Amino acid sequence: DAGVIQSPRHEVTEMGQEVTLRCKPISGHDYLFWYRQTMMRGLELLIYFNNNVPIDDSGMPEDRFSAKMPNASFSTLKIQPSEPRDSAVYFCASSPGLGTEAFFGQGTRLTVV
Amino acid sequence: AQTVTQSQPEMSVQEAETVTLSCTYDTSENNYYLFWYKQPPSRQMILVIRQEAYKQQNATENRFSVNFQKAAKSFSLKISDSQLGDTAMYFCAFMMRNQGGKLIFGQGTELSVKP
Repeated sequence: DAGVIQSPRHEVTEMGQEVTLRCKPISGHDYLFWYRQTMMRGLELLIYFNNNVPIDDSGMPEDRFSAKMPNASFSTLKIQPSEPRDSAVYFCASSPGLGTEAFFGQGTRLTVV
Repeated sequence: AQTVTQSQPEMSVQEAETVTLSCTYDTSENNYYLFWYKQPPSRQMILVIRQEAYKQQNATENRFSVNFQKAAKSFSLKISDSQLGDTAMYFCAFMMRNQGGKLIFGQGTELSVKP
């Protein structure tokens, strides 16, 4: 398996624009997670899904953030409109089930100017 | 709520020597897992080692071992025979047993291995 695949690896956008980050989890993994990494806040969980259903979105910072998982092999994290403070590395991760560790993608570095 | 604390923002070690990274956590749960992840400059998050809380024996993976003290809620990582490739950020993480991969991370320790 190729692991968790995220795209794009880097994204630079202007303030106010819509940004969509994409993730393909490892096949067969039932859980999918979106994390954000910043210098100030470290690694924080934004939202996670179990069998394509959002379970906990309490980490989503604002209504400008939304995430979907239309099927078992694809998820998106959308920011609309984007702001400079959204600049961060966004990680997608997946895990096979309860009591198992998460496998991370290589992250998307987002820069909002 | 669970919290994870890494009190050493930066550490350095000479190549071939041993270094220990500290981690403490707070939880009222009894069934959980603890992990150490490595993040090199490539920013890929790589699992180094995991420990199940119900196991008394400390986990070991080649040059990496942990000192798990459940009563003290301490989970330190020992790296033996440090190599230049060990230079990275190291994150301690907590996961409840009934949650599949939902991790709570510490702030990280930046480790530099010097030649």
